[in-house]
Amino acid sequence: AQRVTQPEKLLSVFKGAPVELKCNYSYSGSPELFWYVQYSRQRLQLLLRHISRESIKGFTADLNKGETSFHLKKPFAQEEDSAMYYCALVAGGTSYGKLTFGQGTILTVHP
Amino acid sequence: DVKVTQSSRYLVKRTGEKVFLECVQDMDHENMFWYRQDPGLGLRLIYFSYDVKMKEKGDIPEGYSVSREKKERFSLILESASTNQTSMYLCASHGRTASNQPQHFGDGTRLSIL
Repeated sequence: AQRVTQPEKLLSVFKGAPVELKCNYSYSGSPELFWYVQYSRQRLQLLLRHISRESIKGFTADLNKGETSFHLKKPFAQEEDSAMYYCALVAGGTSYGKLTFGQGTILTVHP
Repeated sequence: DVKVTQSSRYLVKRTGEKVFLECVQDMDHENMFWYRQDPGLGLRLIYFSYDVKMKEKGDIPEGYSVSREKKERFSLILESASTNQTSMYLCASHGRTASNQPQHFGDGTRLSIL
């Protein structure tokens, strides 16, 4: 069975500092990986997915199959980045798009 | 834009009651999901459905059941509510086009069992 681990429950940085939210996974096949974000009083929404290789709101994430990681990075954090972040995985094949989530990391960006 | 609507934002029920949480999506998605969200545990899958009248257990189905009589509606049922089912419940939908497509979430229902 697949598993997603986010080792940091809480992460605090100052505005303008680099930020990295860690995500490690275990899965024997080729996973689809996502980062979801939940801002205060808003619904959970997709931030980015590895297959798109895109940068959203200045965030990037690279899939490292050797280290089984999908860390989320931003070079200069902003106060509006404060939110709950979840890393999630979809197993390949007929998984019906089922997501396995990590425990989540609360990011706080201080002014 | 996909819209997933959960019938209640907040709900308070008593131990032993039968509780219904409703979810409706407007994008003709085949797959629908129920998760519960708890601090430190992330989101955990309770049940999902990949078609009308089809359902599969997720990781924590005990104490819950579901109903999918119509494609757009997916109901979560707490047969006899208990205090350990106090949580935030999230519904999501997903089209069957590809596994790399994102799930779309509702606003959530914060359920308190007294």
